[in-house]
Amino acid sequence: GQNIDQPTEMTATEGAIVQINCTYQTSGFNGLFWYQQHAGEAPTFLSYNVLDGLEEKGRFSSFLSRSKGYSYLLLKELQMKDSASYLCAALDSNYQLIWGAGTKLIIKP
Amino acid sequence: IAGITQAPTSQILAAGRRMTLRCTQDMRHNAMYWYRQDLGLGLRLIHYSNTAGTTGKGEVPDGYSVSRANTDDFPLTLASAVPSQTSVYFCASSDSTGGGTDTQYFGPGTRLTVL
Repeated sequence: GQNIDQPTEMTATEGAIVQINCTYQTSGFNGLFWYQQHAGEAPTFLSYNVLDGLEEKGRFSSFLSRSKGYSYLLLKELQMKDSASYLCAALDSNYQLIWGAGTKLIIKP
Repeated sequence: IAGITQAPTSQILAAGRRMTLRCTQDMRHNAMYWYRQDLGLGLRLIHYSNTAGTTGKGEVPDGYSVSRANTDDFPLTLASAVPSQTSVYFCASSDSTGGGTDTQYFGPGTRLTVL
């Protein structure tokens, strides 16, 4: 079956760096998305990777290893507003998104 | 309107009642989607539409129906609501024909409680 695994919850300190991991098993693969979702709000797009390697976008970076079925989202210089859930989603062979349950990130001062 | 709107924002519904959740986008995206989000679970696809006039079933379609009469609107209907349909419902759209990898953009969601 198709499956996305990511940690349920992580805690980090303001100003620090945190890495949120995601492993996926899908029928075919056409890319990996990361979304941010604040409590009570809609998911918003952060990044998309389809080739191996690191994509950097400001304080956020996303990495993909297709051979390992693995991705991570790296958040630098953490701010209180980064407290949110981070959703990992893989695009399968039918171009349908398979979603992880999300990682709730708690930022402490 | 800018982006995707959903209505209502929230609703409490008696079991057995019929309910239509509305979704409208103004980005002229060809593809639209309905998801439900439950605590501890990932977003689950209910139905989708790759283009106006066509619809398809997602992972959890039972008890739900959709229509896509035009590009902008994609209503989701619960014919006879049951308590297990209590959830937050998100509508999304993308500029994709199902073969692309374009980003999905989400509406603000509808919080539905079925008693």
